[in-house]
Amino acid sequence: DTGVSQDPRHKITKRGQNVTFRCDPISEHNRLYWYRQTLGQGPEFLTYFQNEAQLEKSRLLSDRFSAERPKGSFSTLEIQRTEQGDSAMYLCASSLAHGGMEAFFGQGTRLTVV
Amino acid sequence: AQSVTQLDSQVPVFEEAPVELRCNYSSSVSVYLFWYVQYPNQGLQLLLKYLSGSTLVESINGFEAEFNKSQTSFHLRKPSVHISDTAEYFCAVSDRDFGNEKLTFGTGTRLTIIP
Repeated sequence: DTGVSQDPRHKITKRGQNVTFRCDPISEHNRLYWYRQTLGQGPEFLTYFQNEAQLEKSRLLSDRFSAERPKGSFSTLEIQRTEQGDSAMYLCASSLAHGGMEAFFGQGTRLTVV
Repeated sequence: AQSVTQLDSQVPVFEEAPVELRCNYSSSVSVYLFWYVQYPNQGLQLLLKYLSGSTLVESINGFEAEFNKSQTSFHLRKPSVHISDTAEYFCAVSDRDFGNEKLTFGTGTRLTIIP
């Protein structure tokens, strides 16, 4: 297994368009997380799944954002009607469900809304 | 609610000199503590973590961090830095009791090594 992979690595879209990102976690990891990182900031938590269940969503995740993890494997993060403020690096991470376990991060998808 | 403060956004250090990157946290619950590193054009990688036991934890590449509960700090140190240590370093905490591994990050410290 080569770690957490994210696709695409870069996405440029026009304001108002919808975009979808994909994350493939490490295969045996049952927890999957999405974070967003803007310039000069640390990653901010968006949402997480345990298997296919979405257990928590941040207030940062407006109703234009939706995430899924069908069958507890890969996950998608969709942003509808993108705004310039959505421009950021979107990071995916996975871990085992056990206190203090290391989260393994993908390289992220950089979204630019023009 | 939890928060992490990294007061130094950039730290330039001469090669082979010591370095300390500061991290303070605030939390109403017990936490796990982490340092993640992001090398240029790479994803975040775990550098070291404190879960329990000895308050001094070490990484394989010579970094160490000490958990100080009374000062709510988890500063990262290295006695002699190399060019290869150039990276951004993020301190993070997660809720020990809730155990969902959701991380709260600081804003990061960019470590630049001067030859």
